[in-house]
Amino acid sequence: GENVEQHPSTLSVQEGDSAVIKCTYSDSASNYFPWYKQELGKRPQLIIDIRSNVGEKKDQRIAVTLNKTAKHFSLHITETQPEDSAVYFCAASRSGTASKLTFGTGTRLQVTL
Amino acid sequence: EPEVTQTPSHQVTQMGQEVILRCVPISNHLYFYWYRQILGQKVEFLVSFYNNEISEKSEIFDDQFSVERPDGSNFTLKIRSTKLEDSAMYFCASSEPGFSYEQYFGPGTRLTVT
Repeated sequence: GENVEQHPSTLSVQEGDSAVIKCTYSDSASNYFPWYKQELGKRPQLIIDIRSNVGEKKDQRIAVTLNKTAKHFSLHITETQPEDSAVYFCAASRSGTASKLTFGTGTRLQVTL
Repeated sequence: EPEVTQTPSHQVTQMGQEVILRCVPISNHLYFYWYRQILGQKVEFLVSFYNNEISEKSEIFDDQFSVERPDGSNFTLKIRSTKLEDSAMYFCASSEPGFSYEQYFGPGTRLTVT
């Protein structure tokens, strides 16, 4: 089955700096890669996703890149703000009906003033 | 914006008791999921459900677990005889028909087994 690895497990950046979180996956049939942000005690919230037919996607301060050959994808947050502090999870999924998400182990991002 | 809802928000139960966790998916969604998250760990897939039957289940989803869509709006997860290690946050999610892969998560039910 799919295995998703995520690094780093914790990341501390100063406000205004960039943050990069990296994930690798094992199943070459995976073709959907979402990123979720989870604040303490809250539900995972989708912040950006990418499908395997594109290599990069951007939404304001957030971007995701995908390298299908190397089976890795990354989340980039620019101009970080204190409200970006949360746990970020990457995930991977195949297409098809009711396809499960396989999550990475999470990255705790701390943005300091 | 429509959201997935879950009840209760917190459930405390004794070991060996049965619990039912309830979810109301987004109304036009057809695919339903349960995930769990043990405190401080990653989110883990339990089961997916479509067209009134299980599409896929993980090795965690053993005979103690069952799912049901008893009516047109609710989606339930039953744990028949709870164990201490079932203590976790349980998230329901749903996704719409077609080729949209996005899964929308509910706020979760924190299950504490004592």
